[in-house]
Amino acid sequence: EAQVTQNPRYLITVTGKKLTVTCSQNMNHEYMSWYRQDPGLGLRQIYYSMNVEVTDKGDVPEGYKVSRKEKRNFPLILESPSPNQTSLYFCASSLSKGFELDTQYFGPGTRLTVL
Amino acid sequence: SQQGEEDPQALSIQEGENATMNCSYKTSINNLQWYRQNSGRGLVHLILIRSNEREKHSGRLRVTLDTSKKSSSLLITASRAADTASYFCAPSGGYQKVTFGTGTKLQVIP
Repeated sequence: EAQVTQNPRYLITVTGKKLTVTCSQNMNHEYMSWYRQDPGLGLRQIYYSMNVEVTDKGDVPEGYKVSRKEKRNFPLILESPSPNQTSLYFCASSLSKGFELDTQYFGPGTRLTVL
Repeated sequence: SQQGEEDPQALSIQEGENATMNCSYKTSINNLQWYRQNSGRGLVHLILIRSNEREKHSGRLRVTLDTSKKSSSLLITASRAADTASYFCAPSGGYQKVTFGTGTKLQVIP
């Protein structure tokens, strides 16, 4: 089954404790992206990757890191989480068609609480 | 970044009625996509319309695109309670930052 998986689905942590949220897709998509969703603010893009070893900042990259060492995986790293990073996080992937962004497939979400 | 803004923010209709929601954006696009999100879950792709298309249908969904006005609309006909969800548009000008709006929250009352 074609899917995007995220782990963990729920996480409660404390300020400053490094964490990684994993994202994996099995559709051989070149494009992957991370979003956060907050009430009243919609979905905002954190980072995106157009292919292996190619990443770029979205609208809200501060406090986050990403890496794209393999095509299928795109982990999101919070080196020193803070309470304002409490949010619902989504990973998404998409096929590459030249410079046109195709349909994005979303993971189920990771609900992160930073105390 | 390319951001879509949905309107209205909330919409409440009776089952069987049609629901129309709108999306506006600011820069030129290659395509525009509509997504649905059930509460707290991942977004699900509904339909993609390219910049050279004016109208597209998929089941009970009808999407129009007016590139001169930089706007799109999503029509759901004969709505059902299961259509209750938030709907987002995503205008895309290529591989770049993508920002969804806050969405239209649709409630279909049985």
